[in-house]
Amino acid sequence: DAGVIQSPRHEVTEMGQEVTLRCKPISGHNSLFWYRQTMMRGLELLIYFNNNVPIDDSGMPEDRFSAKMPNASFSTLKIQPSEPRDSAVYFCASSLRLAGGSNSYYSYNEQFFGPGTRLTVL
Amino acid sequence: AQTVTQSQPEMSVQEAETVTLSCTYDTSESDYYLFWYKQPPSRQMILVIRQEAYKQQNATENRFSVNFQKAAKSFSLKISDSQLGDAAMYFCAYRRTGTASKLTFGTGTRLQVTL
Repeated sequence: DAGVIQSPRHEVTEMGQEVTLRCKPISGHNSLFWYRQTMMRGLELLIYFNNNVPIDDSGMPEDRFSAKMPNASFSTLKIQPSEPRDSAVYFCASSLRLAGGSNSYYSYNEQFFGPGTRLTVL
Repeated sequence: AQTVTQSQPEMSVQEAETVTLSCTYDTSESDYYLFWYKQPPSRQMILVIRQEAYKQQNATENRFSVNFQKAAKSFSLKISDSQLGDAAMYFCAYRRTGTASKLTFGTGTRLQVTL
């Protein structure tokens, strides 16, 4: 498998422009996560989806951020309008959510990370 | 809310020596997972080792092992026979069990490996 694919790997844009980050999860995975990494705040979850449905978007900083997952093999994270403080590395991760009790091996589902998109907003 | 604390911003170890990275966490859950991730300069997040809270036995993966102290909410990573390729940022992370849920990360420890 090719792993989680993110594009672009690097994005430089000017303040006020729209930015769209893309993610293709591992085939067969049914959970998808968007994380952001900054020097100030470290790694933090923005939003995650189970079976294409957003479950927790409490980490989305403000209305300028939106995420969609139109199908099981594609997700986007959009920033409109972008601001310099949005500069960060954005990671997408996917996992396979399995049924099972809390003490079952099958409840473990490793998150596989993509290579990240380094966003610079000037 | 769960929190993860890594109190060592930077650590250094000589090649072939052993180093221990510290991590503490706070949770009211009784069952959860703990992880150590490695992030080399390439930025790729690589899972190093994981521990299920219900298991008393400490996890090991080749040169990597953990010291999991559930009562103390401590989860340290020991790297034996350190290699130059071990130089990276190391993140401790927590996740609840039972469902796909978010990882909560510590602030990371930068590990340098010297000759």
